Amino acid sequence: DSGVTQTPKHLITATGQRVTLRCSPRSGDLSVYWYQQSLDQGLQFLIQYYNGEERAKGNILERFSAQQFPDLHSELNLSSLELGDSALYFCASSLQREEQFFGPGTRLTVL
Amino acid sequence: AQSVTQPDIHITVSEGASLELRCNYSYGATPYLFWYVQSPGQGLQLLLKYFSGDTLVQGIKGFEAEFKRSQSSFNLRKPSVHWSDAAEYFCAVGAGGFKTIFGAGTRLFVKA
Repeated sequence: DSGVTQTPKHLITATGQRVTLRCSPRSGDLSVYWYQQSLDQGLQFLIQYYNGEERAKGNILERFSAQQFPDLHSELNLSSLELGDSALYFCASSLQREEQFFGPGTRLTVL
Repeated sequence: AQSVTQPDIHITVSEGASLELRCNYSYGATPYLFWYVQSPGQGLQLLLKYFSGDTLVQGIKGFEAEFKRSQSSFNLRKPSVHWSDAAEYFCAVGAGGFKTIFGAGTRLFVKA
């Protein structure tokens, strides 16, 4: 158990819909990262927050957004969902030196 | 540009045999290097890390890795593979500013 929690574990929705994925980092970790993992794209870095502020952006679509709240939990919002957005979405957290601890992931299925 | 290459998409080894997974990186400064393991349907778990000092690092589950600056490599090794080691392994480099770049992964199959 990494100490990072993600909810929900599974999510099934339809194209065009909007969903919110939630992540609680390890106690004391200030950074939260979001990744998308699919069979064809592998593990893709989406976005990183540090203590409430956006720190780095990766291959995140404009339809996707994220935020980190004062209690350090984070949410990833995915809108206008497409079939290709079906993937595992991981959250990770870290305190320092890029050593990241990953949550169990949310499996999103878009039908 | 920073990058991580894992040249082997998948590897099959016999149980009890030794294992070496290759990783090459491209990074201008001294990198922070990591190996993660992912079992099916699970998140990534940190196996070991290199920040500085001794270039041979020990990790969990009997894994070790050696940093070779001259070859820009950070290969993962295990002397005797167990069936439970079957998983996907990711090499990663810390690229500064809390950014980490992951390789494409190597899937390990273990045969009896």
